[in-house]
Amino acid sequence: NAGVMQNPRHLVRRRGQEARLRCSPMKGHSHVYWYRQLPEEGLKFMVYLQKENIIDESGMPKERFSAEFPKEGPSILRIQQVVRGDSAAYFCASSPRYQGDQPQHFGDGTRLSIL
Amino acid sequence: GIQVEQSPPDLILQEGANSTLRCNFSDSVNNLQWFHQNPWGQLINLFYIPSGTKQNGRLSATTVATERYSLLYISSSQTTDSGVYFCAVELGRNAGGTSYGKLTFGQGTILTVHP
Repeated sequence: NAGVMQNPRHLVRRRGQEARLRCSPMKGHSHVYWYRQLPEEGLKFMVYLQKENIIDESGMPKERFSAEFPKEGPSILRIQQVVRGDSAAYFCASSPRYQGDQPQHFGDGTRLSIL
Repeated sequence: GIQVEQSPPDLILQEGANSTLRCNFSDSVNNLQWFHQNPWGQLINLFYIPSGTKQNGRLSATTVATERYSLLYISSSQTTDSGVYFCAVELGRNAGGTSYGKLTFGQGTILTVHP
């Protein structure tokens, strides 16, 4: 069984460009979570989505960041007009339903570098 | 929000030694997971353990939810155990229903095992 798939593994962007990070959850999972890990730090929650719905975006910066999980296809985390401070590892996780009684399964992350 | 504290922050061992990592959390939780982040940055799911004790090979974990802590035991450590160990919790619904779904991570314990 395939795990959570994230692509690309590494992404390099220049300041001002857009970054698109993709996440395909595990088969049968309808809940997706995005986390960001700054260098030398732990992971911080960004956003929690179900198919076509944003459930909790309390950890997402108000500007330049957006996330979606369409009915068909992967979840997308989009960062517009990237700045140096956006350099980080971005992890996606999934669970089959509200994960109060299920673990979250994590992908290998996307390492975003801003030149 | 919920506070998650891990100790020790750093740990250096000789191969074959045993160790105990601790995770304290400030409120009741629905979910607790232990992860190992290897030197390549991948997050490996070790345990889903909101309460009780589990064992997997040389690793075991115990969560005492009423006293708000969890312990990760590593026995006969190997160099491949090196990396960062994270504890992550999901706030219990009774403690704050708007926080469900998201994991709050501790700052991690950096483990180095020397041959």
